[in-house]
Amino acid sequence: RKEVEQDPGPFNVPEGATVAFNCTYSNSASQSFFWYRQDCRKEPKLLMSVYSSGNEDGRFTAQLNRASQYISLLIRDSKLSDSATYLCVVKGSDGNKLVFGAGTILRVKS
Amino acid sequence: DGGITQSPKYLFRKEGQNVTLSCEQNLNHDAMYWYRQDPGQGLRLIYYSQIVNDFQKGDIAEGYSVSREKKESFPLTVTSAQKNPTAFYLCASSRASGGADTQYFGPGTRLTVL
Repeated sequence: RKEVEQDPGPFNVPEGATVAFNCTYSNSASQSFFWYRQDCRKEPKLLMSVYSSGNEDGRFTAQLNRASQYISLLIRDSKLSDSATYLCVVKGSDGNKLVFGAGTILRVKS
Repeated sequence: DGGITQSPKYLFRKEGQNVTLSCEQNLNHDAMYWYRQDPGQGLRLIYYSQIVNDFQKGDIAEGYSVSREKKESFPLTVTSAQKNPTAFYLCASSRASGGADTQYFGPGTRLTVL
C-alpha cells in the first residue's frame, strides 16, 4: 500500500463548478499535511497547509480527518487557471521527510 | 530576489556518463533536498541535507551522490550506476528539516539519457 494515495483523475469540470479531492495516508503518526499545486512541466508550489481544525484560503478549503486518515481539498467557483495537478503531501514519521502522493489532475473547461 | 535555481533546465547524457545537476539557494535555508519525479508517480526523495557537510540517503539513493560544502549549494551527481536516470529532478530547501517548515522547490532539471 502506498503511504499517500490519491485518485489520479483527471477531473474535468466546467468553470464555476465546485470540485473536491481526497487523499488517504497510511501512517497514523503523521503530523503535518499540505496541498501543493504543480503546473505542467513545472515545479510544485505550496498551495496550503492543512490544519486539524480545517482551514480556508479564498476559494480553497482543506480538511483533515485523523480518525479516517484522509485529507481533502475543496475548490469553489473553479477558474481556468486552477487547471493543474494537485499533490497531497504528508510529513513522514521521522519528521524530516515529506511523502508525496502521485497527484490528482484537474482540468477546468470553459 | 530570493529563490532556488537549478541548472541546466534540460540535460542530455549518454549511457555510462556521470552528470552533475546544480542547485543553489539564497534563502539562507539550512535544509536542502533532491527528488526525482517520473510520470504518474509522486516525488521520491533521493538525498537530503540538514546542515553543511552532512547529508542522508533518501528512499532511492542508489546510483546518486551529493555534497554539501556550502550552505547555499547542494549538487547532485547522477552516476553511471543509476539504471534508469531519465526523469525530472527537483531540488528543494526549507528553513529547517524538522517541524512543518515549507519546502520550496527550484524549477527542476529534465535529464534524458540517450
